Amino acid sequence: GQQVQQSPASLVLQEGENAELQCNFSTSLNSMQWFYQRPGGSLVSLFYNPSGTKHSGRLTSTTVIKERRSSLHISSSQTTDSGTYLCAPPGYQNFYFGKGTSLTVIP
Amino acid sequence: DTTVKQNPRYKLARVGKPVNLICSQTMNHDTMYWYQKKPNQAPKLLLFYYDKILNREADTFEKFQSSRPNNSFCSLYIGSAGLEYSAMYLCASSRAGGSGNTLYFGEGSRLIVV
Repeated sequence: GQQVQQSPASLVLQEGENAELQCNFSTSLNSMQWFYQRPGGSLVSLFYNPSGTKHSGRLTSTTVIKERRSSLHISSSQTTDSGTYLCAPPGYQNFYFGKGTSLTVIP
Repeated sequence: DTTVKQNPRYKLARVGKPVNLICSQTMNHDTMYWYQKKPNQAPKLLLFYYDKILNREADTFEKFQSSRPNNSFCSLYIGSAGLEYSAMYLCASSRAGGSGNTLYFGEGSRLIVV
């Protein structure tokens, strides 16, 4: 089945710093979805990105399908960005999740 | 409305007792999923319905049951809860399965088994 690797596993930033989160997957797919999970909460979709680069505020997602990777860039981090970021490449009828990157932004 | 709703939000259960979690969506999505999420672990797919067809993961086949009486509702049933069932249970839905479609999650049902 699909293997999804996320890096780093955890990250601590000073407020205002940038972050680059990586997601690598083992088999060919045609899209990638990024989610944010606030501490103790549910998952909120950040991006559905078939390929290329998408922007949403301070977030940028870049997916290169042929290289089986996707990244999430967070610029000018804020304390409210703290939480877990998960990537999930969709399969035919299922979504496969990585373990996530735990981000802590300190003031 | 892109809301997936789950009930209850919190559930305290005794070991050996049954647990029933409910999920609903009004987006007319074909597929509804149940995931189990524990701290520092990836969300684990338990089962999903594509229309009326139930697909259960092999390693959780006997532990979880589900029903989908209509397109909008899906339940997750644990016949006899064990301590290892303590987790966040996430319901999600998408249109026509995974490929090319966005996944929408509910707020989750946090189950604590004592």
